[in-house]
Amino acid sequence: AQKVTQAQTEISVVEKEDVTLDCVYETRDTTYYLFWYKQPPSGELVFLIRRNSFDEQNEISGRYSWNFQKSTSSFNFTITASQVVDSAVYFCALSEASGRTGGFKTIFGAGTRLFVKA
Amino acid sequence: DGGITQSPKYLFRKEGQNVTLSCEQNLNHDAMYWYRQDPGQGLRLIYYSQIVNDFQKGDIAEGYSVSREKKESFPLTVTSAQKNPTAFYLCASQAGQGASSSYNEQFFGPGTRLTVL
Repeated sequence: AQKVTQAQTEISVVEKEDVTLDCVYETRDTTYYLFWYKQPPSGELVFLIRRNSFDEQNEISGRYSWNFQKSTSSFNFTITASQVVDSAVYFCALSEASGRTGGFKTIFGAGTRLFVKA
Repeated sequence: DGGITQSPKYLFRKEGQNVTLSCEQNLNHDAMYWYRQDPGQGLRLIYYSQIVNDFQKGDIAEGYSVSREKKESFPLTVTSAQKNPTAFYLCASQAGQGASSSYNEQFFGPGTRLTVL
């Protein structure tokens, strides 16, 4: 079965600290897609990044970077030099290309709430 | 301006009443989803629809109903059979159907916060 685990429920850091949000997934599909979304206090989830299972290249976008490791089934997200505006709930998600184990719906992790203090 | 709208933003319901939450998208997306989010918890899938006139139960469909008569619209009715309906409800849409949808990100509406009085 497909599953996404975000073991960190809440993280609190001081501004300018680096922080890594962990995501571990389970799937039996060979082709799948991983996502990160941000949910600010306003409530609307915003898409941040997608990674497909054949592309293990890490990605950097400004202060954000993502580390995808198939060997450990992890897709971790690092914010460098965190800012107060980064305070939000961050969700990791998985969808399988075959839909074999649950259709084509996306499975979300429980989310990690990040507090960045000034 | 393409996007998803949900209305109302806040909704209060008396026990025993049915209420309908609106979700409209103008992104021309085939797939639409309803999620429920409780305080401090993740997203739980209520219903989803991959195409007009078809929808599937998610993980927590009991006490809810949906319809998909138009591509742009996917209203959710919270019935009196839902014993604990107070929550934040999020609607999302996604391009593609079936296998072609799994690659695509979901676009979310601003949510409806439902409170039972």
